[in-house]
Amino acid sequence: AQKVTQAQTEISVVEKEDVTLDCVYETRDTTYYLFWYKQPPSGELVFLIRRNSFDEQNEISGRYSWNFQKSTSSFNFTITASQVVDSAVYFCALSPLELYNQGGKLIFGQGTELSVKP
Amino acid sequence: DVKVTQSSRYLVKRTGEKVFLECVQDMDHENMFWYRQDPGLGLRLIYFSYDVKMKEKGDIPEGYSVSREKKERFSLILESASTNQTSMYLCASSLNKAGGLGPLGTQYFGPGTRLTVL
Repeated sequence: AQKVTQAQTEISVVEKEDVTLDCVYETRDTTYYLFWYKQPPSGELVFLIRRNSFDEQNEISGRYSWNFQKSTSSFNFTITASQVVDSAVYFCALSPLELYNQGGKLIFGQGTELSVKP
Repeated sequence: DVKVTQSSRYLVKRTGEKVFLECVQDMDHENMFWYRQDPGLGLRLIYFSYDVKMKEKGDIPEGYSVSREKKERFSLILESASTNQTSMYLCASSLNKAGGLGPLGTQYFGPGTRLTVL
């Protein structure tokens, strides 16, 4: 099976807390791409990051960081010192090579709704 | 700057009407996608196009058709709208070959159209 699981449906934190959004994936391909998207209340999905399966280096971008671990098939997303503007639904997505070669089709997780309260 | 636009943010139609949802991208992307997003069901792919006049069914094509006469424009058509097609519709595009904007295979989304069928 090829799928993405985001077990946390909703998370609520208070501003300035750190929060980690979990993403676990399954694929039979050795080459694949992983993505995170943010969907604020306005509705548009905003691309955050793309990772290929051969690059296990962790990535940091400001308050955002991503931890890719092939051994556990996880690609977790951490927001440090969360802010109210981080409130959104976050989607993790997978593009195994067979789908990537079909134009970059994605398998999405169900999404995690993050609420950051002041 | 990557840009995908959709013709309407909100649309209200009556059962049986023919509905056109338009999507335009200015990034010279080959691939374009139509999704619908419903609570609890996540994002589901309706149709996909990898070139002008080329289309491929996604996971839930029933009740929909598409048109891609020009590279930058991808239209979703509801031949006879029904209440169960009330949903958020998202368009996306991605690059298949080097030369356009953005990394290969990364999907960029429009703002979405919230369609209500009465």
